[in-house]
Amino acid sequence: EVQLVESGGGLVQPGGSLRLSCAASGFTFSNYEMNWVRQAPGKGLEWVSYISSRGDTIDYADSVKGRFTISRDNAQNSLYLQMNSLRAEDTGLYYCARGFTAYYVYWGQGTLVTVSS
Amino acid sequence: QSVLTQPISASGTPGQGVTVSCSGSTSNIGGNAVNWYQQLPGAAPRLLIYFNHHRPSGVPDRFSGSKSGTSASLAISGLQSEDEADYYCAAWDDSLNGPVFGTGTKVTVL
Repeated sequence: EVQLVESGGGLVQPGGSLRLSCAASGFTFSNYEMNWVRQAPGKGLEWVSYISSRGDTIDYADSVKGRFTISRDNAQNSLYLQMNSLRAEDTGLYYCARGFTAYYVYWGQGTLVTVSS
Repeated sequence: QSVLTQPISASGTPGQGVTVSCSGSTSNIGGNAVNWYQQLPGAAPRLLIYFNHHRPSGVPDRFSGSKSGTSASLAISGLQSEDEADYYCAAWDDSLNGPVFGTGTKVTVL
């Protein structure tokens, strides 16, 4: 069974940093492209970042470019999102999702990030 | 601000049919496949329809998708109480060079 389990969320002050993790199991992680998708409280879905299966192609939404860094460790079956210079508008539930080009077959349950003073 | 526009809400009684629209442009829906996601209250999104009209295994055939020009639609026939959820369309956007989601539609079963 495919499982994606996010962790690392929490309360952080504006300007602070957080590192999210996504532990994958039930499939050969190194074969699949991965993404982070977020959802602000009571709002819709927003794609955040993409990383190819080998980590050699990376992309970001304009809203996080220059502040967030996506990475993966295929040996550890893990996906990461380093978030720096956090803003109030980054508050939300962050999902890791397996897939590409708006086609996301599997999703984690999400980890909540709250940016507030 | 999403580039894919959906109605805020849709509703129907049990057994009825409901259609959710998704309006885009030539840079997204017009030239790329559309996927639909269902998000039950308090749950993560779930892939409902992929590549315009295909259903993943486990998705009832009450759900169907279609695309025409720069618009797409999700149809739910024989509405059931467990279909009460938020529904999102999504597609790749060639101008933004990234995936975009629709604004979301809340489907209520009366």
